[in-house]
Amino acid sequence: QKEVEQDPGPLSVPEGAIVSLNCTYSNSAFQYFMWYRQYSRKGPELLMYTYSSGNKEDGRFTAQVDKSSKYISLFIRDSQPSDSATYLCAMSASAAGNKLTFGGGTRVLVKP
Amino acid sequence: SAVISQKPSRDICQRGTSLTIQCQVDSQVTMMFWYRQQPGQSLTLIATANQGSEATYESGFVIDKFPISRPNLTFSTLTVSNMSPEDSSIYLCSVVGLRFTDTQYFGPGTRLTVL
Repeated sequence: QKEVEQDPGPLSVPEGAIVSLNCTYSNSAFQYFMWYRQYSRKGPELLMYTYSSGNKEDGRFTAQVDKSSKYISLFIRDSQPSDSATYLCAMSASAAGNKLTFGGGTRVLVKP
Repeated sequence: SAVISQKPSRDICQRGTSLTIQCQVDSQVTMMFWYRQQPGQSLTLIATANQGSEATYESGFVIDKFPISRPNLTFSTLTVSNMSPEDSSIYLCSVVGLRFTDTQYFGPGTRLTVL
């Protein structure tokens, strides 16, 4: 069983819809949680970073962490075709800058 | 904003040969990492590049196959040695310490195809 599980998708939504992404994990030591966006043939780009449980909002993006359930989510409001990409969750036990364990990524397609 | 660059951006190589990939950052960073992303897969950490000392390798990766150098705080190289088709992947460097943050930022990647 992988330490971090993520539905590979693809997840197809109409423009303007809310995109809901999630990851589950098994290692209770994880405390730092990140979401990266990766466009085709590009490196991952950091979107959101949260520490421990709780919510964090940045523009159209909201990240949620529920450590008791070992479950994290990313919501994208008012989705745009430019949001079409693969979204990767990543986690670390010691610090966000240390060894990251990635989920497999969810491919998202926002249709105009 | 700070820039992370990798060279080459892509290459096609013959089996049995070696390729050295460079990662250059335009400001000093505290940590540098090398990841592999196999086709359709997520990222797997190969090693932590330590400045002035031997890299720290993850389970399943060895120095003879993936020698790494980090001579200073802005530059690192990863060599993929004695390549086979199974080494066809995207290789990414990441850094910590950009913009005074403690999160990882990734380079654009090097797409390697081994024939």
